[in-house]
Amino acid sequence: DQQVKQNSPSLSVQEGRISILNCDYTNSMFDYFLWYKKYPAEGPTFLISISSIKDKNEDGRFTVFLNKSAKHLSLHIVPSQPGDSAVYFCAASGVGGSQGNLIFGKGTKLSVKP
Amino acid sequence: EPEVTQTPSHQVTQMGQEVILRCVPISNHLYFYWYRQILGQKVEFLVSFYNNEISEKSEIFDDQFSVERPDGSNFTLKIRSTKLEDSAMYFCASRKGTSGTLVTDTQYFGPGTRLTVL
Repeated sequence: DQQVKQNSPSLSVQEGRISILNCDYTNSMFDYFLWYKKYPAEGPTFLISISSIKDKNEDGRFTVFLNKSAKHLSLHIVPSQPGDSAVYFCAASGVGGSQGNLIFGKGTKLSVKP
Repeated sequence: EPEVTQTPSHQVTQMGQEVILRCVPISNHLYFYWYRQILGQKVEFLVSFYNNEISEKSEIFDDQFSVERPDGSNFTLKIRSTKLEDSAMYFCASRKGTSGTLVTDTQYFGPGTRLTVL
């Protein structure tokens, strides 16, 4: 039962261009969404988040867009840099008064080529 | 910058043995979590802990698992009798906690402990 889906296992982008990573969710009760970046043999590193009351949040090169009607969010990285190459996880929380337990997608491996 | 730490980084054990994975959450955080990631799969929630008790657990977190906060800084995950399928990366996370019912603060993750069960 995949409540959070990242349908693209990998994405390759040229340095300087935009990277767009997508995430879909099925549970309309989610009210907080996060993106994490993960390098091999390391823990997930928080990137950016968005509350369900917003549709956009921006932090430097990273912007997250939320479309609640479509149950879809996306992470835009502009411009992409080789150091951005990692696995990106979308996560959601907030169902039924949970204590912030995160439901993760399977991840998208981003490769930024110089 | 404060960070979540975990020890050991790698634990190898024989099937049926007990293991204890240790975590030191960020000092002013109130909510603590364990997640695991089996190789090639997604990160899965195991258990959340608040106010010295389990607040929620997943179906993965059966009677073989337990958590404890033995002092003011450590947060441990114990697996009583390890199975081959317990081999995974185990991540500890913590968050500060916000007022109200909505969770709008960030969980910070440790670097993980790789558990290998032979």
